[in-house]
Amino acid sequence: GAGVSQSPRYKVAKRGQDVALRCDPISGHVSLFWYQQALGQGPEFLTYFQNEAQLDKSGLPSDRFFAERPEGSVSTLKIQRTQQEDSAVYLCASSTTRNHEQFFGPGTRLTVL
Amino acid sequence: GQNIDQPTEMTATEGAIVQINCTYQTSGFNGLFWYQQHAGEAPTFLSYNVLDGLEEKGRFSSFLSRSKGYSYLLLKELQMKDSASYLCAVRSKNQFYFGTGTSLTVIP
Repeated sequence: GAGVSQSPRYKVAKRGQDVALRCDPISGHVSLFWYQQALGQGPEFLTYFQNEAQLDKSGLPSDRFFAERPEGSVSTLKIQRTQQEDSAVYLCASSTTRNHEQFFGPGTRLTVL
Repeated sequence: GQNIDQPTEMTATEGAIVQINCTYQTSGFNGLFWYQQHAGEAPTFLSYNVLDGLEEKGRFSSFLSRSKGYSYLLLKELQMKDSASYLCAVRSKNQFYFGTGTSLTVIP
């Protein structure tokens, strides 16, 4: 079946530009996570949704970062006024409530010039 | 704070066995995960431990000692395709804390 998909796969933004990154989780997965992965580092937690409820957003690095999942399926991570330090791969993962295994999407590589 | 430590790099020979260690200090513990990540690709799930002991899954095994804050991933009969980064992650409530990953190179 279909896995987690993310779009776009690559995004180049000029500093100060707003970007929106999309995640389509596996159908029926209630849990959805966003991570930021810098080169040579492990993924860093950003935020967690259970269905449409954002239960934890403590990992969002600043108020320029905003995530939503209005209908409990597709999620969007928005970054306003991008900065160079926002350059990273943004990973989305989903899981069921009965299975702790997270399925990761291919990621969106964001480069801010 | 949260702290996940694992070696940065390891090299092993094709057909051999390699053990990748992970130590952790987290506020709260709801399970330890190992993921494999090939360069430029997404992490893929390998194993999950929530109780002490060894979990075996084919060529891969993972061990956990909660009292020591310690886990290891054991890879047997190494193959060239096992060259990848191996990530240790601890779940604490709703959050997952990842280590920086161990880059394993398998040589002929």
